[in-house]
Amino acid sequence: QLQLQESGPGLVKPSETLSLTCTVSGGSISSSGYFWGWIRQPPGKGLEWIGSIYYSGSTYYNPSLKSRVTISVDTSKNQFSLKLSSVTAADTAVYYCVKPSAPNRRQPFDYWGQGTLVTVSS
Amino acid sequence: QSALTQPASVSGSPGQSITISCTGTSSDIGGYNYVSWYQQHPGKAPKLMIYDVNNRPSGVSDRFSGSKSGNTASLTISGLQAEDEADYYCCSYTSYSTVVFGGGTKLTVL
Repeated sequence: QLQLQESGPGLVKPSETLSLTCTVSGGSISSSGYFWGWIRQPPGKGLEWIGSIYYSGSTYYNPSLKSRVTISVDTSKNQFSLKLSSVTAADTAVYYCVKPSAPNRRQPFDYWGQGTLVTVSS
Repeated sequence: QSALTQPASVSGSPGQSITISCTGTSSDIGGYNYVSWYQQHPGKAPKLMIYDVNNRPSGVSDRFSGSKSGNTASLTISGLQAEDEADYYCCSYTSYSTVVFGGGTKLTVL
């Protein structure tokens, strides 16, 4: 059974960089053809797609966040990561790592991590 | 890219049917049969309920169904049950090779 688990600081200061890691267990992140992604949800608000990375390293980002987002993959550790720079209070959210149900597809997402709350505050 | 448009809330009584709409553009919903729907209970991660417009993952009740006409997709829940009370989100692939969500709809079972 595939499992995804987010990890990283729960508190980040304004203007700094938010860094999260998603550890994949029960399957290989380098299995052919899959995208691995990040989605966030501000408290009391809706879901926002942040971006996805192909197992080979190609990336696709939400245009509204593209200038501040970097998603990378470390196949040796079976992990992928999110970095969001110059954060403000508006970046406070629960961050989910996700995997689509089929190869070569950006969505639909059938595997979700439990989510981790990141608060931006001084 | 703009978020897909969903009603903020819908409600229905147990046993009734409800439909949640999701409106996009020809660059997302209208251009691809890649619409999915998610159910989210408070404090939980979203759960995939419908994919590729009208397909149900294994284990999802056949009370849930999806459809699409033009730039608008719809999720219908028949035989409403108390456990269906949750937030529902639509999602679509876009012509920019990105993904966009709807703003979410809160379903209340009266």
